[in-house]
Amino acid sequence: AQSVTQLDSQVPVFEEAPVELRCNYSSSVSVYLFWYVQYPNQGLQLLLKYLSGSTLVKGINGFEAEFNKSQTSFHLRKPSVHISDTAEYFCAVTPRGFNKFYFGSGTKLNVKP
Amino acid sequence: SAVISQKPSRDICQRGTSLTIQCQVDSQVTMMFWYRQQPGQSLTLIATANQGSEATYESGFVIDKFPISRPNLTFSTLTVSNMSPEDSSIYLCSVRTGGEGYTFGSGTRLTVV
Repeated sequence: AQSVTQLDSQVPVFEEAPVELRCNYSSSVSVYLFWYVQYPNQGLQLLLKYLSGSTLVKGINGFEAEFNKSQTSFHLRKPSVHISDTAEYFCAVTPRGFNKFYFGSGTKLNVKP
Repeated sequence: SAVISQKPSRDICQRGTSLTIQCQVDSQVTMMFWYRQQPGQSLTLIATANQGSEATYESGFVIDKFPISRPNLTFSTLTVSNMSPEDSSIYLCSVRTGGEGYTFGSGTRLTVV
């Protein structure tokens, strides 16, 4: 069985500060890992994904994430956030060879001026 | 990547009635997925819809409550039947776009009163 845990439901941060959104997963099989962002009143937009290869993955809007197999984590980072990064962020996994996503509960990032 | 048009974007419905949500994709896709996002919660897969076959429902979801049609490779509908306030959620469709890419629609915000 698979599960995804996002440890922080809300993360307040000041503009231009760094941020890390945490994601841990549990799976009995190998998985692909994703981060999606949901802006208010919009659908999900893919930020980045890890399929294989380098464990440091760079995505859109200056975000990056690092896959840590031993700690079963896939934390999302940005060195300097903007007001426009205010949104909800979802970590998700899909078992390799399957088409089902398992989503975390989401982290609301609130960037303050 | 594919572009998804989902209609309606929002609706307020009376309990006991049904609502049909449409998902139109700008390219042919084999697999389409329907998700539910209940207030304050993450996304849960309702069913997978492949063209030419019956939809496959996840545990806790049944065809009588959430009938799905998939008449061709670019279109699908999800009906929420005999609605109750507990059905108030965001419903999203998603498609697999090759490799491990998935695109989500902007969602339908349903309120049942």
